[in-house]
Amino acid sequence: KQEVTQIPAALSVPEGENLVLNCSFTDSAIYNLQWFRQDPGKGLTSLLLIQSSQREQTSGRLNASLDKSSGRSTLYIAASQPGDSATYLCAVRLGGAGNMLTFGGGTRLMVKP
Amino acid sequence: GAGVSQTPSNKVTEKGKYVELRCDPISGHTALYWYRQSLGQGPEFLIYFQGTGAADDSGLPNDRFFAVRPEGSVSTLKIQRTERGDSAVYLCASSLSGELFFGEGSRLTVL
Repeated sequence: KQEVTQIPAALSVPEGENLVLNCSFTDSAIYNLQWFRQDPGKGLTSLLLIQSSQREQTSGRLNASLDKSSGRSTLYIAASQPGDSATYLCAVRLGGAGNMLTFGGGTRLMVKP
Repeated sequence: GAGVSQTPSNKVTEKGKYVELRCDPISGHTALYWYRQSLGQGPEFLIYFQGTGAADDSGLPNDRFFAVRPEGSVSTLKIQRTERGDSAVYLCASSLSGELFFGEGSRLTVL
């Protein structure tokens, strides 16, 4: 059974810092990995999708990397802003494109002005 | 609409009652997923549809939970004899080519 762990569970940083969120998974035979953002009381917003054949994906100030062999992904946020405050969730999919995602517990990020 | 739509956004019910939660996926998305999220935790998988059929229902916790997608578009999650432990946010997502897009969720409170 795939297990996904996110460290740290919570993080508080001053505005402007670069930061790294970590995600690890136990079964390296993944199909893809997706990072999401969740604001309080809201649904999940997709940030980045990395296919198993890719090493990283970038969108604006966000960069996600994938190391399948070690079962790890990192989400790098550059020049953090108070608007980045949210919970960040990573999720992995085994097997094919239609299979379910297994989520980590999330990292609650607070960026202080 | 442009995104995944879920109704109701909030539902308060009494223990033992029957509840239906509706999901309207993004038009053309063939895959539809239901997840359940408790406070402070990541979403937990319930069931996945490919078209009209349930391709994987291994996450349904017991036989009080059932979901349908009769025409391959809108889906309904049905919970019978609700219990206080069913209180959570129920999230729906749809997908066409692997990337999941989520709705805002239905918050269920069982008193």
